[in-house]
Amino acid sequence: DTEVTQTPKHLVMGMTNKKSLKCEQHMGHRAMYWYKQKAKKPPELMFVYSYEKLSINESVPSRFSPECPNSSLLNLHLHALQPEDSALYLCASSQGRTGYNYGYTFGSGTRLTVV
Amino acid sequence: GDSVTQMEGPVTLSEEACLTINCTYTATGYPSLFWYVQYPGEGLQLLLKATKADDKGSNKGFEATYRKETTSFHLEKGSVQVSDSAVYFCALSDVGGGSNYKLTFGKGTLLTVNP
Repeated sequence: DTEVTQTPKHLVMGMTNKKSLKCEQHMGHRAMYWYKQKAKKPPELMFVYSYEKLSINESVPSRFSPECPNSSLLNLHLHALQPEDSALYLCASSQGRTGYNYGYTFGSGTRLTVV
Repeated sequence: GDSVTQMEGPVTLSEEACLTINCTYTATGYPSLFWYVQYPGEGLQLLLKATKADDKGSNKGFEATYRKETTSFHLEKGSVQVSDSAVYFCALSDVGGGSNYKLTFGKGTLLTVNP
């Protein structure tokens, strides 16, 4: 299995809703990432988990809450989002430090619309 | 800090034309370099990579050579196809300067290939 699987593919939520994005990989990768991508822009890093511990939080608002229940799963909990949070949310994984050499595997993303 | 500069385009070519997308970088350490491709409505796919000076990455007819003296990693293809239409991102990963596995992206180049 050489994929990163993200669910759902599309999500529409109101500003008062609570929802979660899910990401799963079975490649044995020990680093997992959340990126946010607005239209016609490059991905922006949000969070990095290394060996199931949060190692980087790029000053993301608290309405985004990451969780790494185990080495294969990564969640992003969403609460009280704003319309400007509408974007493509990408999950990625890498073989820890060797992501430096081997690259990162991205999922196909969740397209989020906040209404 | 680390940065990647790539020609923003858009680039429009006819089928079988030659492609070059320029990419230059600045980094505090000794980075690995990547090209990612994003097809419409999809996530990012690793196209090719190079981890040290003079390495040539290649895949699907695309090539890029890691040039440390000019800090460049230009993407080339001798004959493009309609199916190559996508957004191309140059990126680097640098473990120096506390970057801690982060990928730094260029702004992306939209390529459209017409039949």
